[in-house]
Amino acid sequence: AQSVTQLGSHVSVSEGALVLLRCNYSSSVPPYLFWYVQYPNQGLQLLLKYTTGATLVKGINGFEAEFKKSETSFHLTKPSAHMSDAAEYFCAVSDQGSGTYKYIFGTGTRLKVLA
Amino acid sequence: DADVTQTPRNRITKTGKRIMLECSQTKGHDRMYWYRQDPGLGLRLIYYSFDVKDINKGEISDGYSVSRQAQAKFSLSLESAIPNQTALYFCATSDLADGAITQYFGPGTRLLVL
Repeated sequence: AQSVTQLGSHVSVSEGALVLLRCNYSSSVPPYLFWYVQYPNQGLQLLLKYTTGATLVKGINGFEAEFKKSETSFHLTKPSAHMSDAAEYFCAVSDQGSGTYKYIFGTGTRLKVLA
Repeated sequence: DADVTQTPRNRITKTGKRIMLECSQTKGHDRMYWYRQDPGLGLRLIYYSFDVKDINKGEISDGYSVSRQAQAKFSLSLESAIPNQTALYFCATSDLADGAITQYFGPGTRLLVL
């Protein structure tokens, strides 16, 4: 069975500082991995995804993530935080092994950006 | 215009009432999903549908039912609402032509059961 663990339910960073949100996964097949962002009172918006190929994936709003098979990780980073990055971030793995492509979500990390 | 819409956006109901949450999409996608979001638990899958005739239970389907009235419409019903069904509910879609890899989410329905 697949699973996702997000370390840190709350992360605070200063404006301009590095953002690092951690995601580890468990999967019996090569994983498809996703990061979504949820701004207050909004739905989930896709930030980036990894399916195959290049392990460093660039997404929207300056975010990127690196797939590391050996560490079973897919951490999300951004070099310089902006106030507008304050949101909740979800990591997810797709159950493509069964053909259903259902998502298994992590429990989320709420990012706070300090002025 | 939004590609995935949900109605209502907010709903307050009482224990024992039947309610329906609706989802419509203009993306032409085959697959549709219903999730609930609870603080600290992330999103959990309630039901999913691959097409009008193919509906499947997710990990937390008890107390819920769904109807896929057309390719573009997927409704979630709570037959007899209970307080622990208070949550934020999301509908999502994915496109088989795209390998059904990416899911696109609606804005959510916030439900409060008193």
